[in-house]
Amino acid sequence: QKEVEQNSGPLSVPEGAIASLNCTYSDRVSQSFFWYRQYSGKSPELIMSIYSNGDKEDGRFTAQLNKASQYVSLLIRDSQPSDSATYLCAVAYSGGGADGLTFGKGTHLIIQP
Amino acid sequence: DTAVSQTPKYLVTQMGNDKSIKCEQNLGHDTMYWYKQDSKKFLKIMFSYNNKELIINETVPNRFSPKSPDKAHLNLHINSLELGDSAVYFCASSRDSLSPLHFGNGTRLTVT
Repeated sequence: QKEVEQNSGPLSVPEGAIASLNCTYSDRVSQSFFWYRQYSGKSPELIMSIYSNGDKEDGRFTAQLNKASQYVSLLIRDSQPSDSATYLCAVAYSGGGADGLTFGKGTHLIIQP
Repeated sequence: DTAVSQTPKYLVTQMGNDKSIKCEQNLGHDTMYWYKQDSKKFLKIMFSYNNKELIINETVPNRFSPKSPDKAHLNLHINSLELGDSAVYFCASSRDSLSPLHFGNGTRLTVT
């Protein structure tokens, strides 16, 4: 069974610090990994995609992937109060067809001013 | 300019009724999906459609049925609504099975 695990939080981080969000997944055939941000009452918004081992940086966001450990993380540098949201980790499995993404239950991040 | 649009945004109805939610995407994507997000914010896939063919049905009751008149539309029909159907339903689309999803704004369904 395909599973994506996240710590639900809340994770509280002071403004200006680095927020570190973690995600593990169960299926070794996973090929695509995504981080979505969801504000309360809004739809999930894609913030990072990562497809190969290593780090990928985009502005204040860095995604890290370790396929051997089945682990993907998201770092948010210089955290801002506007970063307070639920962060969803999502994994695409190479099963063919239109399997869609499997989502974790999300980590609630709170940036304290 | 909206990439994935779904209507209505809010839907309040009584148990036993039948309702539909419409979804359209203008991204030219080949695959469309319906996801359900429960009160604990857990997103679970319900259906996906690829080239008018249903690919996945994730143990969803047969009271739920997707209808796709063309590649750009995937509507969700729900018969005999139950209290437990109350949730937010998201339509989404993607280029292929390994690409990110683009979500609509969601439909908050409340069954009383």
